Amino acid sequence: EVQLLESGGGLVQPGGSLRLSCTASGFTFSNYAMSWVRQAPGKGLEWVSGISGSGGSTYYADSVKGRFTISRDNSKKTLYLQMDSLRAEDTALYHCAKDRATVTPRSSLDYWGQGTLVTVSP
Amino acid sequence: QSALTQPASVSGSPGQSITISCTGTSSDVGGYNYVSWFQHHPGKAPKLMIYDVNNRPSGVSNRLSGSKSGNTASLTISGLQAEDEADYYCSSYTSGSTVVFGGGTKLTVL
Repeated sequence: EVQLLESGGGLVQPGGSLRLSCTASGFTFSNYAMSWVRQAPGKGLEWVSGISGSGGSTYYADSVKGRFTISRDNSKKTLYLQMDSLRAEDTALYHCAKDRATVTPRSSLDYWGQGTLVTVSP
Repeated sequence: QSALTQPASVSGSPGQSITISCTGTSSDVGGYNYVSWFQHHPGKAPKLMIYDVNNRPSGVSNRLSGSKSGNTASLTISGLQAEDEADYYCSSYTSGSTVVFGGGTKLTVL
């Protein structure tokens, strides 16, 4: 059974940093692209970032480019999202998601975690 | 990276068919056959219902189907059931090697 478990969310002040983790099980982690998707309170889904199966290629939404860094440790079957210079508008539930694609994320996100909540507030 | 355009809401009676549209540009929906549809019940993780325009993952009802014409993709649900009531989101791969979602559509089963 595929499982994705996010952690690392919490309350942080504007300008602060946070690192999210997503531990995977039930599939060959290194074979698949992964993404982070967020949902702000009362809003829709927003793709944040993606990474190839090898970790060699990374992709970002314009809204987080230069502030967030996605990475993965295939030996630990773990996906990360380093979030710096956080803003109030980054407040959201952050999901990690597995793609059916192996290299570039294709939007075919077939498994999702339940999410971890990030709140950016003074 | 503008969001794809979806109607805010659609509704239908049990047994009827509904279609949700998803309009983008030639840089996303129109340029690639990488359109997906997700069902999202509040408080739960989104569920992939359609990928690569018209493919259903194992276990997804064949009452759901996807299609695309030009820059607009569509999700059709036939034989509406109460359990279909949820939010539906489309997404697409883009020319910038990123992914973009639609704004979401609330489906109400009357």
